[in-house]
Amino acid sequence: DTEVTQTPKHLVMGMTNKKSLKCEQHMGHRAMYWYKQKAKKPPELMFVYSYEKLSINESVPSRFSPECPNSSLLNLHLHALQPEDSALYLCASSQGPDQPQHFGDGTRLSIL
Amino acid sequence: GENVEQHPSTLSVQEGDSAVIKCTYSDSASNYFPWYKQELGKRPQLIIDIRSNVGEKKDQRIAVTLNKTAKHFSLHITETQPEDSAVYFCAASKHKIIFGKGTRLHILP
Repeated sequence: DTEVTQTPKHLVMGMTNKKSLKCEQHMGHRAMYWYKQKAKKPPELMFVYSYEKLSINESVPSRFSPECPNSSLLNLHLHALQPEDSALYLCASSQGPDQPQHFGDGTRLSIL
Repeated sequence: GENVEQHPSTLSVQEGDSAVIKCTYSDSASNYFPWYKQELGKRPQLIIDIRSNVGEKKDQRIAVTLNKTAKHFSLHITETQPEDSAVYFCAASKHKIIFGKGTRLHILP
């Protein structure tokens, strides 16, 4: 069983659309992460939330907007994406920084 | 910032033999070193990790060694099996994880 749940599994959207990716964990973890992974590349950190506050933004374009409504949920709002944003978006959670991170199965995003 | 180099990029070993993947890191402040296995189309899964105050850690067929002075760490898989075929990522962390570029491991029958 995957302890970090991501929805949707697949998403196809046009460049003018607005959509959201969702991530949920019930392990009581206080840190949550968004990563972007292109084919045959490692995961690349985008955002880190610690105790529901944004602690790291890796200079991600503003067309990606993260949100942490509570300690179990993490959203990534998407608007006006570009074709190069097509990738696997992974959510992860951990008890804290420098602790084992548990990844979800990801959302495979395609931008037309 | 932190930079993690990983070698080799591809590794083929005969089933039953051992596999070794090596990584170096640049930031001496990094204190946590996880290893992830990612099968095709699947999520990264933590297989073993080590902290900077430990030199070696073993879990069944998997072991990791860390040389803080040289800023090297390595993954050792013994008695390899077909299900070990995957991409392996090393990583170094000081508040955030930086991944190496990955090693594609092929286990040959």
